[in-house]
Amino acid sequence: TQLLEQSPQFLSIQEGENLTVYCNSSSVFSSLQWYRQEPGEGPVLLVTVVTGGEVKKLKRLTFQFGDARKDSSLHITAAQPGDTGLYLCAPRGPGNTGKLIFGQGTTLQVKP
Amino acid sequence: EAGVAQSPRYKIIEKRQSVAFWCNPISGHATLYWYQQILGQGPKLLIQFQNNGVVDDSQLPKDRFSAERLKGVDSTLKIQPAKLEDSAVYLCASSITVPTYEQYFGPGTRLTVT
Repeated sequence: TQLLEQSPQFLSIQEGENLTVYCNSSSVFSSLQWYRQEPGEGPVLLVTVVTGGEVKKLKRLTFQFGDARKDSSLHITAAQPGDTGLYLCAPRGPGNTGKLIFGQGTTLQVKP
Repeated sequence: EAGVAQSPRYKIIEKRQSVAFWCNPISGHATLYWYQQILGQGPKLLIQFQNNGVVDDSQLPKDRFSAERLKGVDSTLKIQPAKLEDSAVYLCASSITVPTYEQYFGPGTRLTVT
């Protein structure tokens, strides 16, 4: 059984602050995706990381895949109220079915 | 490109009643997923279809839940009879079968069982 932990579970910050959320597991993953979900909507794909040590940037968001492909982090610089939402990491499960394993997510609230 | 469509958006039923949800994936996406998302948690996969065949239904409560994708395009998920603990958002997603399997989600159906 793959155990996936996201931390912190909740984060409430002021506009302009920086933050990092983490996604950790004891399993090795072939790839990992990050999604953001706003209230009343489905998750929206932000990025896919595949290679150990890979860093990808999406405007103010920086995603990193751990060297051993067991963990990942998402760093947001100068958070904006529009960044508010549930951030979900989703490593790909075993086999070639495309199944994703979703963590419980980090709920981020950015106050103006 | 049109996204994943789901209906209805909201549904309120009493326990022991039945309910059905509909999903139309993105055109050309061979893989379709149904997830259950309980408030405050991440989505949990219920069933995965590849075209009109079931790939994974290991977490589908088969005594009350059923799903079909008869022509390999749109899909329905049914609950009969519903229980209070079925209150959740039911999400449909689709993906192209390529190495990264990126999934595209619909807006979900919020089910409340009273």
